[in-house]
Amino acid sequence: AQSVTQLGSHVSVSEGALVLLRCNYSSSVPPYLFWYVQYPNQGLQLLLKYTSAATLVKGINGFEAEFKKSETSFHLTKPSAHMSDAAEYFCAVIPWSSASKIIFGSGTRLSIRP
Amino acid sequence: DVKVTQSSRYLVKRTGEKVFLECVQDMDHENMFWYRQDPGLGLRLIYFSYDVKMKEKGDIPEGYSVSREKKERFSLILESASTNQTSMYLCASSSVVPSGGQAGANVLTFGAGSRLTVL
Repeated sequence: AQSVTQLGSHVSVSEGALVLLRCNYSSSVPPYLFWYVQYPNQGLQLLLKYTSAATLVKGINGFEAEFKKSETSFHLTKPSAHMSDAAEYFCAVIPWSSASKIIFGSGTRLSIRP
Repeated sequence: DVKVTQSSRYLVKRTGEKVFLECVQDMDHENMFWYRQDPGLGLRLIYFSYDVKMKEKGDIPEGYSVSREKKERFSLILESASTNQTSMYLCASSSVVPSGGQAGANVLTFGAGSRLTVL
């Protein structure tokens, strides 16, 4: 069955440091992939999405993600963390086989140290 | 601005009570979804709907039902609430059927969530 795995339920970085949140998917065919962000006491909002147009996808707030088919990965990065980036981040996939389900990872909580 | 509104941010109910969670979207979206969010488990799909009066089960439909009498409104119903249904419930909508076969990948717009506590 299609799934996404987020490595690390909690990541902590210093302000100004590189942010790297990991996501791996299981599929023999490249799916559609997303990163969503959830700020405290809010619903999820789209950060970026991959739709096979380009392997490097740029999103909002300086985040980007690179699709690597050989590694079945779609890791999220940001060169310099800001305090306002503290949130929970979810990787999600729409598999080719499904006409109905968006499958979410278990989430990674990002903390920023001053 | 696109909006999905969930009527209650916080609810406290007793075991056995019937619970209604309401969700309204103002974007004329065909598709609406109910997810449950629990720590360490991510989001799990309870039910979704592609059209008025149409519903399909998601991954964890047991103990829940839904109603979609109007395009803009999608209700989640807990017929007899239990303590294991204490959770955050998220409603979402979208304008394209989530499908890898379509040219445009679907994007979900979420409500702010309803935190339900069952005592």
